[in-house]
Amino acid sequence: GQNIDQPTEMTATEGAIVQINCTYQTSGFNGLFWYQQHAGEAPTFLSYNVLDGLEEKGRFSSFLSRSKGYSYLLLKELQMKDSASYLCAVLDSNYQLIWGAGTKLIIKP
Amino acid sequence: GAVVSQHPSRVICKSGTSVKIECRSLDFQATTMFWYRQFPKQSLMLMATSNEGSKATYEQGVEKDKFLINHASLTLSTLTVTSAHPEDSSFYICSGLAGERNEQFFGPGTRLTVL
Repeated sequence: GQNIDQPTEMTATEGAIVQINCTYQTSGFNGLFWYQQHAGEAPTFLSYNVLDGLEEKGRFSSFLSRSKGYSYLLLKELQMKDSASYLCAVLDSNYQLIWGAGTKLIIKP
Repeated sequence: GAVVSQHPSRVICKSGTSVKIECRSLDFQATTMFWYRQFPKQSLMLMATSNEGSKATYEQGVEKDKFLINHASLTLSTLTVTSAHPEDSSFYICSGLAGERNEQFFGPGTRLTVL
């Protein structure tokens, strides 16, 4: 079966750095997405990785290791507005998005 | 990025009535659109995949006669919840595929409350 695992909840301090991990087992791989979702809102796109390595975009970076079936989202200089759920999703061989359950990130002052 | 709109953003209806939700891709053509449902504190659940000009593909456990999907044009897909019940109350989100990376662009969602 297809499976994506990420922690249910994480807590971090404003101004700090947090890393949200995602491991996956899917039938084929055509890329991995990270989305941010605030409560009551639709997800918004953060990053896309299809090749191994680190993609940096401002305060957010995403890393992929295809051989390990592993990705992480790194958030730097945390702000209170970063409190949200972060969803990891993999595009499988049929170009269907397989979703993780999401990681709720709580930022404390 | 590509923009997807949904209408209405919020709807309250009585049990037994039908509700139509529209999903539009505003600046791109979406051959494929997806409909998701999200219950509180849960992840997105794919309901169906909608391809322009053909019948939608429903996920296991989703009643196709209850959730009618029409993808009549490359910029519009509609989801009609027929004979709505309180357990259908949820956040319904559509998305369209765009770009070389088949990235999903999400609509803002529709919160349905069935009384």
